[in-house]
Amino acid sequence: GAVVSQHPSWVICKSGTSVKIECRSLDFQATTMFWYRQFPKQSLMLMATSNEGSKATYEQGVEKDKFLINHASLTLSTLTVTSAHPEDSSFYICSARDRGQATLYGYTFGSGTRLTVV
Amino acid sequence: QKEVEQNSGPLSVPEGAIASLNCTYSDRGSQSFFWYRQYSGKSPELIMFIYSNGDKEDGRFTAQLNKASQYVSLLIRDSQPSDSATYLCAVNRGGGSNYKLTFGKGTLLTVNP
Repeated sequence: GAVVSQHPSWVICKSGTSVKIECRSLDFQATTMFWYRQFPKQSLMLMATSNEGSKATYEQGVEKDKFLINHASLTLSTLTVTSAHPEDSSFYICSARDRGQATLYGYTFGSGTRLTVV
Repeated sequence: QKEVEQNSGPLSVPEGAIASLNCTYSDRGSQSFFWYRQYSGKSPELIMFIYSNGDKEDGRFTAQLNKASQYVSLLIRDSQPSDSATYLCAVNRGGGSNYKLTFGKGTLLTVNP
């Protein structure tokens, strides 16, 4: 089945530094990548949607200059949290839409990245 | 009104019982519906999807969809302790640029041995 490899699985960084999270689709082409954030005991909140080769579309309230998304190829998308602060500590998850599969079959999630900013 | 609503639970059932999880949605244009299971600290995994009215069965799981009532449910038969997790309902409007999934807050299910 389709697999999305997400790295790192966890990261601890100092306040003010930047962190890059990678998601790779291993056996399919991901035309669209969705980036979510999940706080403890909360549901997934969509942060942004990126299409390969295009600028990402951010959800209302998400700072695009803080959460930089790059989707330069059909197999790789990255999320960079710039100037991270403790309130950015969360579980970040990517989800990929397979180019060769109808939307109704759903998307494949990465394994998630636990970010802790100290 | 929230787009996708679920009872947050927790829903507690004994081992071997049927667990019933419910979800309502507000957008009548929604075309496909998904149930994801999420264990604590892990990312969601797809259990089932449904897009036609009626029932869809896969092993111990049955998804039910009623578009007129804007209601989708998930039944888990012969519940096992390993089924203890948060179950997320998601809907998709489908087509064009409307590819994103909208998730409910999830229902925490606990299956007691």
